[in-house]
Parts: sequence; C-alpha cells; structure tokens
Amino acid sequence: TQLLEQSPQFLSIQEGENLTVYCNSSSVFSSLQWYRQEPGEGPVLLVTVVTGGEVKKLKRLTFQFGDARKDSSLHITAAQTGDTGLYLCAGPYGQNFVFGPGTRLSVLP
Amino acid sequence: DSGVTQTPKHLITATGQRVTLRCSPRSGDLSVYWYQQSLDQGLQFLIQYYNGEERAKGNILERFSAQQFPDLHSELNLSSLELGDSALYFCASTGEGSVREQFFGPGTRLTVL
Repeated sequence: TQLLEQSPQFLSIQEGENLTVYCNSSSVFSSLQWYRQEPGEGPVLLVTVVTGGEVKKLKRLTFQFGDARKDSSLHITAAQTGDTGLYLCAGPYGQNFVFGPGTRLSVLP
Repeated sequence: DSGVTQTPKHLITATGQRVTLRCSPRSGDLSVYWYQQSLDQGLQFLIQYYNGEERAKGNILERFSAQQFPDLHSELNLSSLELGDSALYFCASTGEGSVREQFFGPGTRLTVL
C-alpha cells in the first residue's frame, strides 16, 4: 500500500480542456510537493504547499492542500501540449520523502 | 537548472561489471538522496546521506553501495550488474529550511547489456 495515492493513473485530453489530478493519503503531511517529470529527465519541482487549505497558483496551474493536510489537488486550466508529462506528488515522512506513483498526462493537439 | 549535477549522463556496460555514478548537491545542501526509476515505473528510494553519514536506507540491493564525501558530493556504486539494473538513477538534495523540498539532478541512464 502506497502512503501517497494519485489518481487518475493516466489521463489523455485535448488541448484547451481543463483537468484535475489528485494526491491522497491517510497520513498527515507537514507539506506536499508537486513535480513534473518529462521522459528521461529528472523531476522538476513545481510547488510546495504547507498550510492546510492553502491554494497556490502557477500560471494555469492551481494547487490546493486539503484542510487536514492529507490530500492535495492540481488543476490545469486550458491544457497545452507542453503540459504533457508525469505529475508526482511527494512529501517528507520522517527522515525520508515518499512519492506517489504519479499521474501520466498526455495533452493532444 | 536545479543546481544538482550528475555524471555521467549515459552509461552503457555489460552484465557483471561495476559502475560508479556521481552526484553533486546544490550549494549549501547537506542531504543527498538516491533513487532508481525503471522504465515507466515510479521513483524507488535507495539511500540517503546527510553531511557524510548514512541516514536512511530504502530498497537498496546489497550489490549497491553509496558514500558521501567531505565536499558533500556523493557516489553510488553498482556492482555485479544485471540486466534488471538498467534504469534511470537520480539524486536529489534538500536544504536546511523548515520546509523540506527535494531538488533533482538530471539523472544517469544506465544500460546493462
């Protein structure tokens, strides 16, 4: 059982559509990070959410941290082909970090 | 650019061989984490070092070992390589702030033939 679950596992949409992906846990996290990873490259940190209920915006991407700090969502408005990639959520857990399995997003032209 | 560097970018070797992967963390970061990512798989945590000392171990095989040097760069040693060891290997570093964030290097793609 993964400490962080992500859904959906795969998502294929047309350019211009909106989408939301989710990151859930039964554990409380002091913070959660979202990364985007393109094939063959390292994950790139997009945002860190820290406060329960916090909403952060990064251009067309909106990140929300659940009130109980057990879940987070990423909403993309008017998706573009450049948004294609693997979206990972992660959080510190003890001395370590745990990662979700990711949502693989494909935005078609 | 995350500030984390890894060399080499690509490595092709044969089964039974030994290789060393190198990572330099961001300036000022004391922690280095190593991860393995096989094709279309998630990130598997291998091992963490903090200021030269091993701090946490994940699913690291006995054939694999790592160390962190006084200048804080780290090396991951993979020996008796098998075909299944072919993967992307990433290192990441974290800062000392109250909010812990990981910054990843570009990775080393290891191909074992």
